[in-house]
Amino acid sequence: DAGVIQSPRHEVTEMGQEVTLRCKPISGHNSLFWYRQTMMRGLELLIYFNNNVPIDDSGMPEDRFSAKMPNASFSTLKIQPSEPRDSAVYFCASSSFSGANVLTFGAGSRLTVL
Amino acid sequence: QLLEQSPQFLSIQEGENLTVYCNSSSVFSSLQWYRQEPGEGPVLLIALYKAGELTSNGRLTAQFGITRKDSFLNISASIPSDVGIYFCAGQAITGTASKLTFGTGTRLQV
Repeated sequence: DAGVIQSPRHEVTEMGQEVTLRCKPISGHNSLFWYRQTMMRGLELLIYFNNNVPIDDSGMPEDRFSAKMPNASFSTLKIQPSEPRDSAVYFCASSSFSGANVLTFGAGSRLTVL
Repeated sequence: QLLEQSPQFLSIQEGENLTVYCNSSSVFSSLQWYRQEPGEGPVLLIALYKAGELTSNGRLTAQFGITRKDSFLNISASIPSDVGIYFCAGQAITGTASKLTFGTGTRLQV
């Protein structure tokens, strides 16, 4: 089991550029979560999917953020255009929903927007 | 669904015991404890599902409050590798949706 795989691990970009973060969940897991971690706001849930369907995107900060899950083994989080305040560590996590979500996290993607 | 943890920071000597508290005004269906090491994602330590449940995992012991609004995590005989940020996370289930909200975190130094 390779765990949850995120890419890139580090991304440095300039304000206004498009950023795409990628996630491969654990095979067989049917729920996928995107979290953002900052010193000021801690771990915030951005969006989560059950069986590839977005269930709750109320945590997505602005229309600049979008997430997709085209199939059970891949998800993307896109920021367009990026701003310096988007700098954070973005985590993807997956779980096998059976009434109790226990999450397995990826190692995170550290985004720096200059 | 704010989850407040205390203390925010904890610096202890190796071998000491410590307790981290997690409180909320919301009711949760389950309460989980995670630890995050530098440069990594959080890793599950203990999951609690029943009101009043007391569960141990090696040197770690956690209990879910009777009201399902609070919990504590106790670590006995701390060792240097216990260093990290400890989070509680509460799960709320609405229909077929399940949402895990993380607490404010407790940073531990040993």
